[in-house]
Amino acid sequence: GQQVMQIPQYQHVQEGEDFTTYCNSSTTLSNIQWYKQRPGGHPVFLIQLVKSGEVKKQKRLTFQFGEAKKNSSLHITATQTTDVGTYFCAGRRSAGGTSYGKLTFGQGTILTVHP
Amino acid sequence: DGGITQSPKYLFRKEGQNVTLSCEQNLNHDAMYWYRQDPGQGLRLIYYSQIVNDFQKGDIAEGYSVSREKKESFPLTVTSAQKNPTAFYLCASIGPNQPQHFGDGTRLSIL
Repeated sequence: GQQVMQIPQYQHVQEGEDFTTYCNSSTTLSNIQWYKQRPGGHPVFLIQLVKSGEVKKQKRLTFQFGEAKKNSSLHITATQTTDVGTYFCAGRRSAGGTSYGKLTFGQGTILTVHP
Repeated sequence: DGGITQSPKYLFRKEGQNVTLSCEQNLNHDAMYWYRQDPGQGLRLIYYSQIVNDFQKGDIAEGYSVSREKKESFPLTVTSAQKNPTAFYLCASIGPNQPQHFGDGTRLSIL
């Protein structure tokens, strides 16, 4: 079945340093989504990437979708303590019509930011 | 205020007991999902439903059952056959051209 691998599992940074998490799928994806989960909370949607080679930015966050639509990355510039949490990628294989299909989640990257 | 409501927030199960986790949404979403999250792990799909009276097994369906009698409701039963039920359970729903919305989750523990 489809697998989505995410690395690293843990990342500790000093406030102000950059952070990147990488996501790799065993199959071609129709789209990839990124979520953030604060400690004790539930995942909150950040962004969806659909097109091959797509790059999207949200303030200090930059999201990329690979040309082959099998990998993705999330980069945070100049981390802040508010960035603490677990970042998940989630890939979808089927799309279109009324079929929503399944999202396969990566294992997540737990980000700790030291002030 | 639209959203997904999961209850209870905390649940304890005795040996050999079935327990049911509630998930209700008022977003008029067609598809609903149940995930299990273990400490330090990602989300694993238990069951999902794309339409009323229909549902499909996810990756870890054994020991769980669901029903989808109403569009708004997708309850999950953790049966006694699930030998390691302690986890954080998340319900989600999705509508056309929208991302998944998650409930606040239910933490299930064994007594």
